[in-house]
Amino acid sequence: DTAVSQTPKYLVTQMGNDKSIKCEQNLGHDTMYWYKQDSKKFLKIMFSYNNKELIINETVPNRFSPKSPDKAHLNLHINSLELGDSAVYFCASSQDLVYGYTFGSGTRLTVV
Amino acid sequence: SQQGEEDPQALSIQEGENATMNCSYKTSINNLQWYRQNSGRGLVHLILIRSNEREKHSGRLRVTLDTSKKSSSLLITASRAADTASYFCATDKAAGNKLTFGGGTRVLVKP
Repeated sequence: DTAVSQTPKYLVTQMGNDKSIKCEQNLGHDTMYWYKQDSKKFLKIMFSYNNKELIINETVPNRFSPKSPDKAHLNLHINSLELGDSAVYFCASSQDLVYGYTFGSGTRLTVV
Repeated sequence: SQQGEEDPQALSIQEGENATMNCSYKTSINNLQWYRQNSGRGLVHLILIRSNEREKHSGRLRVTLDTSKKSSSLLITASRAADTASYFCATDKAAGNKLTFGGGTRVLVKP
């Protein structure tokens, strides 16, 4: 059983399109995160939800909108995609930072 | 800016050798963690060291933490080809609610 699963794994789309990435965790964790990993491998937090409540909203264009229908799911919707949005997006979950994160396998988004 | 900066950015060693990488950070922390990322995969938690600890071991991994210098090191002993990956340090601040990652060290272990 995959603990944190993201779909799709790859996403190629044209500039201006709207796309969504889905994430689900079956670990019972209360907190979920979205991170963006750029081409130089830097990981930057975007959003975090704790029990469906938004607790972290970093400086991210408002074209990015997270949604958490329940504590096991955290989706990311991106409007009007731009070339600079090309990256790998990781979902992660955690029960307590002391135990670290469990990451999904990532969604590689390519905007052309 | 990144909380953690890792050094070196890349490391190439022969199987059986030890690999050492360092992480420096800027602000006071609660814990420091190390993660491994294999190519095309998500990050995997390796080991955590608390701010009041100086050294920790887990199998072939040895982590040190020097809070006075705001730095940590990860040593992988007797490396194997399967250790080829990128390694990231991550920190969380007191009363923090997120991890902040360094830029990673890419390790290549040649058979």
